[in-house]
Formats: sequence, C-alpha cells, structure tokens
Amino acid sequence: AQSVTQLGSHVSVSEGALVLLRCNYSSSVPPYLFWYVQYPNQGLQLLLKYTSAATLVKGINGFEAEFKKSETSFHLTKPSAHMSDAAEYFCAVILSSNTGKLIFGQGTTLQVKP
Amino acid sequence: DAGVIQSPRHEVTEMGQEVTLRCKPISGHNSLFWYRQTMMRGLELLIYFNNNVPIDDSGMPEDRFSAKMPNASFSTLKIQPSEPRDSAVYFCASSGQVNYGYTFGSGTRLTVV
Repeated sequence: AQSVTQLGSHVSVSEGALVLLRCNYSSSVPPYLFWYVQYPNQGLQLLLKYTSAATLVKGINGFEAEFKKSETSFHLTKPSAHMSDAAEYFCAVILSSNTGKLIFGQGTTLQVKP
Repeated sequence: DAGVIQSPRHEVTEMGQEVTLRCKPISGHNSLFWYRQTMMRGLELLIYFNNNVPIDDSGMPEDRFSAKMPNASFSTLKIQPSEPRDSAVYFCASSGQVNYGYTFGSGTRLTVV
C-alpha cells in the first residue's frame, strides 16, 4: 500500500502565483512528515518537517505546509512563486519512529512560467 | 559541517564490471540510508543501517548488490557484476534523530554501458 501519494506529477504556475503541491499519506497513527526539494543534478534538500508540534509548519524559501489529520494531508504552499522555485518536490513520511524508514512520494515537478 | 559526502560524483563503467560507491555520513549521525533514483521508479530505499548494523535490506534489488558499514564514518554500496539497468543516481543519507529528517549527499550518477 502506498504510504504517501502526491497528486499531480507536474504543476505549472506563473511567476507570482500561488504554489500548491498536494500530498496525502496513509497511516493510522500520526506520522512524521517532510517535504524535500531537488534542483536539477543535485541532492535532496529538506524544506520543512512536521513532527507533531504546530500543524502549520514554515520552511525555507517561503514555503509552508499544514498538517490536516482529518484529511490525512500535508500540502505544500507558497504565496508567490519565483522562477528559482522550479524544481522537483518530494513529500515523505516516516511511519514508525522505531525504524526511521523514510518513504517518498513519486515527486511533483514544479514549472514556473515568466 | 561538510554534510554527507559521496564519491564519486559520476561513474561510467562497462557491463560486468564491479562498481563501488562510497559515503561518509555526518559525524554523530547514527543512521545511514542508501537510495536509488530513476525516472521509472522514483526514489527507492535500498538498505539502511543503524549504529553500523544493517537493519533492513529488503530494497536491495538482487544479490549483485551489497552494502557495508565498517564504522560510523564510512559506508559502501557495491554492485558486482554491474548491468545497464543499474544506471541511476544513488544517494546516501544520514540521520541523527528520526524527527529531524535525513540529510542527503549530492549523489553518484552511475552509467553502465
């Protein structure tokens, strides 16, 4: 069973527009949730993480995500897209703190048009 | 802190040859992970270690793949013999505490011809 699902493999927005990247998880217990960004030919960089503290999490580069238990969602948003935000974004989940096993979604490629 | 260091950054090898990828985790991190990234399959967890001990290798695709972590500051992923379908970017990541997330290296781009 897929533990984390990202809706939309490609998202295209205009510069200055709202960015919304969707992520849903499947877990019976509150997991640890993360968003990573990957720029071309680079490794993965942690954007933000949810670890059962505040449900609205702020990350780097103006991104934030809200944990909604009732919707099992952890969508990533940014009010105003910059050209430099063009990258691939991965939602990831750790279901068990005992194993620490990080499971990734399939990724969403964000395109920002001028 | 230099982060997670992987070497080499790029590797081109002929089918049948042995390939060894190397990783130096962040000092003090007690968990280390090897991932493979391809267009078709995305990011796949191959194996992970906790305190130098392999915990879960269920993601290792075949017996041709093996990984070791002889000490807290070094790990290798070996493919022998290599095949063209092994071509991918291989990432190493390390973690100190589960809720901190992982820190990834820059990856090794492997091409098997």
